[in-house]
Amino acid sequence: ILNVEQSPQSLHVQEGDSTNFTCSFPSSNFYALHWYRWETAKSPEALFVMTLNGDEKKKGRISATLNTKEGYSYLYIKGSQPEDSATYLCALRYNTDKLIFGTGTRLQVFP
Amino acid sequence: DVKVTQSSRYLVKRTGEKVFLECVQDMDHENMFWYRQDPGLGLRLIYFSYDVKMKEKGDIPEGYSVSREKKERFSLILESASTNQTSMYLCASSLGVTGAFFGQGTRLTVV
Repeated sequence: ILNVEQSPQSLHVQEGDSTNFTCSFPSSNFYALHWYRWETAKSPEALFVMTLNGDEKKKGRISATLNTKEGYSYLYIKGSQPEDSATYLCALRYNTDKLIFGTGTRLQVFP
Repeated sequence: DVKVTQSSRYLVKRTGEKVFLECVQDMDHENMFWYRQDPGLGLRLIYFSYDVKMKEKGDIPEGYSVSREKKERFSLILESASTNQTSMYLCASSLGVTGAFFGQGTRLTVV
């Protein structure tokens, strides 16, 4: 079983705070990393796909970086808003199209 | 927009029943997945299919089987439902290296 770890498991922040969390994975045979946002009562929604070491992606206040050599990715949220409250999942794609997910980071942003 | 549709949002079944969870996608995607989601465990891959009639076991295939007779439809079968299969089940599809698109989930309760 390929192990994809996310930390922290949960996070509570105040509106306006910036926050970040981590996805760690075995670096050998890496192909691509995906970040998803999963809001309660909705389907997981894709945020980013990252493939190259040193990749940085940005969508509004959310950005992500990737280090394939050491096996981690960071997701940053600048100026968190209550609507950012969700579970953030990372998933690894190795040499097949199989997607292996981490356990997720549950973010709650309080007004 | 890609649409992935799961046949039921909520399902209650009795122990020992044979249960079918159906998933249909409308974008001609090659890959389809079945995951289950349990608190603290993230999304765990049950089965993956990369083509019609082709399947690959995920991390937790025991007690499950799958069927993919047509490209758009991927069925998860619980041969004899047990209470430890009470969970949220998510179907997803993807094309090559793109991110996965998810259905709305089926919350299955086995009593």
